[in-house]
Amino acid sequence: GESVGLHLPTLSVQEGDNSIINCAYSNSASDYFIWYKQESGKGPQFIIDIRSNMDKRQGQRVTVLLNKTVKHLSLQIAATQPGDSAVYFCAENGADSNYQLIWGAGTKLIIKP
Amino acid sequence: GAGVSQSPSNKVTEKGKDVELRCDPISGHTALYWYRQSLGQGLEFLIYFQGNSAPDKSGLPSDRFSAERTGGSVSTLTIQRTQQEDSAVYLCASSLVPRTSGLAKNIQYFGAGTRLSVL
Repeated sequence: GESVGLHLPTLSVQEGDNSIINCAYSNSASDYFIWYKQESGKGPQFIIDIRSNMDKRQGQRVTVLLNKTVKHLSLQIAATQPGDSAVYFCAENGADSNYQLIWGAGTKLIIKP
Repeated sequence: GAGVSQSPSNKVTEKGKDVELRCDPISGHTALYWYRQSLGQGLEFLIYFQGNSAPDKSGLPSDRFSAERTGGSVSTLTIQRTQQEDSAVYLCASSLVPRTSGLAKNIQYFGAGTRLSVL
């Protein structure tokens, strides 16, 4: 079995409800942000990104919100499905490097039937 | 295949042995990254290659770790004299050129990883 929940924050959501996963980023100079989804036994998979000149960006069933004032990023997943069960990572990229992503700790999303 | 390919998918080794992990990036991607992910943890940057530039090795945890990238494509991560604390999933990612402006993206595409177990 998986024990990632021992270290990772966990969010449990009823199937069909909306999920909101939060992330506090570290560098006020960061100007690009990205969300990844990692399913068990797989590598992280790109979901959506946003630049700092925007405060909201929508994809298919997902929305990313950026609040630069408080250095906060969130990922909203509409009508959560069992296939959304995964660990979600936020990452930032900014002035210090044009290639290094600074990764968040991750949040495990559990879907209740 | 179209994605990043890593091999082997699983590796079990004895303490003190050397291991080599392989990564085949997406064709045309000039940037290649290695990360380490311990159970229940986030991603720990190890090393970055970009074209013919000198690699950024700032994340390598010790001199037992090394990596090379031949011909700007395939990369090998080598761990010498493995220790139990080296047990983790080693992930490789590739991307197009790094960001050169605020308008550019930095989307890294990951392989499935190599799960290394050191007994």
